[in-house]
Amino acid sequence: EVQLLESGGGLVQPGGSLRLSCAASGFTFTSYAMNWVRQAPGKGLEWVSTISSGGGSTSYADSVRGRFSVSRDNSRNTLFLQMSSLRAEDTAVYYCAKDLLPFVRTSSFGSWGQGTLVAVSS
Amino acid sequence: DIVMTQSPDSLAVSLGERATINCKSSQSLLYNSNNKNHLAWYQQKSGQPPKLLIYWASTRESGVPDRFSGSGSGTDFTLSISSLQAEDVAVYYCQQYYSIPPVFGQGTRLEIK
Repeated sequence: EVQLLESGGGLVQPGGSLRLSCAASGFTFTSYAMNWVRQAPGKGLEWVSTISSGGGSTSYADSVRGRFSVSRDNSRNTLFLQMSSLRAEDTAVYYCAKDLLPFVRTSSFGSWGQGTLVAVSS
Repeated sequence: DIVMTQSPDSLAVSLGERATINCKSSQSLLYNSNNKNHLAWYQQKSGQPPKLLIYWASTRESGVPDRFSGSGSGTDFTLSISSLQAEDVAVYYCQQYYSIPPVFGQGTRLEIK
């Protein structure tokens, strides 16, 4: 069974930093691109970032480019999102999501974690 | 960026009746190289993460009840629930994965009438 467990969320002041983690199990982590998707309170879904299966290719939403950095440790089956220069509008539940198909990046989201809440406020 | 527009924003349907949600993209999602529409549907129940229902516009994800079906091609797509059950109350999102950035529709809230 695919399991994705996010951690690292919390309350942070504007301008601050936070590092999210997503521990993956139940599938061959090294075969899948991985994604972060966020959802502001009461709002819809917004794609944040994708990293290829090997980690060599990344992409970001315009709203976070230059402030967020995605990475992965394939030896530990873990995905990361380093967030800096945080703003109030970054407040959201951040979901880790496994790509739908192995070996190719589709940017469709086959499995999701439960999410971790990031709140940016003074 | 591709814009995804769902209609209606909310919908109330009686138990056992058919529910239909529409999704329109600002450009075609049909990829010539594989002749597939890069369109997915997700269900999000209250307090839960989204769940993939349909991909390639009409392929049902494993374990999804067959009362859920997806149709359409190009720029116009539909999610249908043939006989609404109480557990289908949720917000439904379409999402294009034809190009980066992947974009979701604004969501359609489905309730019981």
